[in-house]
Amino acid sequence: GNSVTQMEGPVTLSEEAFLTINCTYTATGYPSLFWYVQYPGEGLQLLLKATKADDKGSNKGFEATYRKETTSFHLEKGSVQVSDSAVYFCALSDEGSGYSTLTFGKGTMLLVSP
Amino acid sequence: DAGITQSPRHKVTETGTPVTLRCHQTENHRYMYWYRQDPGHGLRLIHYSYGVKDTDKGEVSDGYSVSRSKTEDFLLTLESATSSQTSVYFCAISETSGELFFGEGSRLTVL
Repeated sequence: GNSVTQMEGPVTLSEEAFLTINCTYTATGYPSLFWYVQYPGEGLQLLLKATKADDKGSNKGFEATYRKETTSFHLEKGSVQVSDSAVYFCALSDEGSGYSTLTFGKGTMLLVSP
Repeated sequence: DAGITQSPRHKVTETGTPVTLRCHQTENHRYMYWYRQDPGHGLRLIHYSYGVKDTDKGEVSDGYSVSRSKTEDFLLTLESATSSQTSVYFCAISETSGELFFGEGSRLTVL
C-alpha cells in the first residue's frame, strides 16, 4: 500500500538557518503530494501541495518539488523564523472512486531558537 | 478559518464506557474524516464519509463506528472504550481532492 517516510525529529535550528525536511513516498499511480503544518495546540493546516511530477509547491517561504524519479517531496526554507516552530507532516493522496483520503508521514518537529 | 467544531474538546472516561465525539461543519463540504494522532504514528485514518449515510473504513477502524445523518455532522463512536483508544482525535473536511481542513482536535483519555 501507500506510505510516507519522513526524517525523524526534532530538527533544531537557529533563526535564519536553512531548513530541509526530507520526505519520500511509496505509491501506486500518480498521487498528489502535500505538506501540512501543525502549530502547538492546533489542528493541521495545509502548507503547500503539488499535483504532478516536477511541480513546485510554495507558500510562506517554504518550497517543495515533486520528484517522481526519486519519489521525494523534500520541504525547504531559506531562512527559518522562531514562528516556524511546529510539526510538519508530509502526505500523499489515495485516489479512488472519485474521492481521496490522505496517507500521512509520522511528522517532523521543528524547533527554531532565537 | 474553515467552520469546523469538535466536541467535546477534552474527555476523560473509564474503560468499557461508550464515547461519542461530534464533528460539526458549516462549510457544506461533501467529505468528512476522522483521524487519530498518536506519538510515533502521525495521523491515521479511522473512518471517512463521502456523503450523507455514505461512510467507509480507514486503516484503524476496529473498535470505532461512525454515522452521518446530515451533511454537517459526523459522529465517531467508541462502543466500549479501551486504554489503547487514548489519543487526540481530529475531524477534517474537504471538497476538493486532498486539501483537508482540520478541526482543533478532541483529546480523549481512557482510564
